[in-house]
Amino acid sequence: GAVVSQHPSRVICKSGTSVKIECRSLDFQATTMFWYRQFPKKSLMLMATSNEGSKATYEQGVEKDKFLINHASLTLSTLTVTSAHPEDSSFYICSAREASTQQYFGPGTRLTVT
Amino acid sequence: QKEVEQDPGPLSVPEGAIVSLNCTYSNSAFQYFMWYRQYSRKGPELLMYTYSSGNKEDGRFTAQVDKSSKYISLFIRDSQPSDSATYLCAMSGMEYGNKLVFGAGTILRVKS
Repeated sequence: GAVVSQHPSRVICKSGTSVKIECRSLDFQATTMFWYRQFPKKSLMLMATSNEGSKATYEQGVEKDKFLINHASLTLSTLTVTSAHPEDSSFYICSAREASTQQYFGPGTRLTVT
Repeated sequence: QKEVEQDPGPLSVPEGAIVSLNCTYSNSAFQYFMWYRQYSRKGPELLMYTYSSGNKEDGRFTAQVDKSSKYISLFIRDSQPSDSATYLCAMSGMEYGNKLVFGAGTILRVKS
């Protein structure tokens, strides 16, 4: 149980385009989902917290107009990187939380902006 | 000072060794403690979840929490090459809401 999927696993896009990443909880309802960014050989950096049906809460320094988060249902959250630039290239990971504090992570999406 | 300190390693051990991974923290408000394993280019996988002080065992893994010393450990017995990964400690508490505070992660290499 507690499986979280992400799609796509890898994406390459051109500078200036937008990319959408999906995060799904497959076998449980996630009241809260989180989006992280991870640089090579670094720990996870929390970008935003999203609760189903409400606006996401962004961490300090994260541009909400650039990283659009939608949490449309209890099993789906999306992250859209708008007007992507090479510096947005990174590993993006989502997690989903059940009723307890435990967070279950997706497999990650590697974004490369050329 | 970081809220959660974790030696990044790498830690290199021979197959079959007992591995000890540790994190220290500064805020006594942390109540929930987790260990995640992350293979290269993959998402973190929850290994152990403990609440407050004490020990928890699951197969070859034992998690220890000492709140008086603000110190948590993960022990891996009979380590295998497949245990080679980055191990992240994470913690949370009421003060942090739903958020996890992560350590830097320790790179473990188990050599056959």
